Amino acid sequence: IAGITQAPTSQILAAGRRMTLRCTQDMRHNAMYWYRQDLGLGLRLIHYSNTAGTTGKGEVPDGYSVSRANTDDFPLTLASAVPSQTSVYFCASSEAGQGSNEQFFGPGTRLTVL
Amino acid sequence: GQNIDQPTEMTATEGAIVQINCTYQTSGFNGLFWYQQHAGEAPTFLSYNVLDGLEEKGRFSSFLSRSKGYSYLLLKELQMKDSASYLCAVRDSNYQLIWGAGTKLIIKP
Repeated sequence: IAGITQAPTSQILAAGRRMTLRCTQDMRHNAMYWYRQDLGLGLRLIHYSNTAGTTGKGEVPDGYSVSRANTDDFPLTLASAVPSQTSVYFCASSEAGQGSNEQFFGPGTRLTVL
Repeated sequence: GQNIDQPTEMTATEGAIVQINCTYQTSGFNGLFWYQQHAGEAPTFLSYNVLDGLEEKGRFSSFLSRSKGYSYLLLKELQMKDSASYLCAVRDSNYQLIWGAGTKLIIKP
């Protein structure tokens, strides 16, 4: 039983490069989320998906894109990375949409953009 | 704007009781959450309050006052493993979670 997995665990990336962070859940949850966590700030929602085939923008979507082709996978793509995207990225899921009372988080990806 | 305030850091002694406060100003209210996050790990769900009052779950309790925009997390019989950050989050009228920056709790023997 894996829950939510993320890959890679960490990555150092040159500015301007394209990068996809992977997220997979095996709980058959309908909703999935991408957050970034920066020191001194709360988790900030980047994008979310309430069900397969739909996505929505969160608080800080600029520079990021997502897709939700199936229930299990929710990749996050940085089209052209910039140093301000250095952060820890968490993927999360919940049974239903944002009315669910608990989100389950993956282990995170630590991304450094130089 | 929307705002969640909680202390940056607190220190407590093993075996004691600690109260972590959270105040919020959000566009609407659809519940308040507490999560625990150990260093380098993912947040994990602790509690959910939507009505005023105290919710008790073992050594942890969470209190909510909607009229005051205030919540606290109470941890009893502190153990060394309780050293972690505690995140307060409020679900607003759009059902978006607004997160506080977290309170780092240091437990001393």
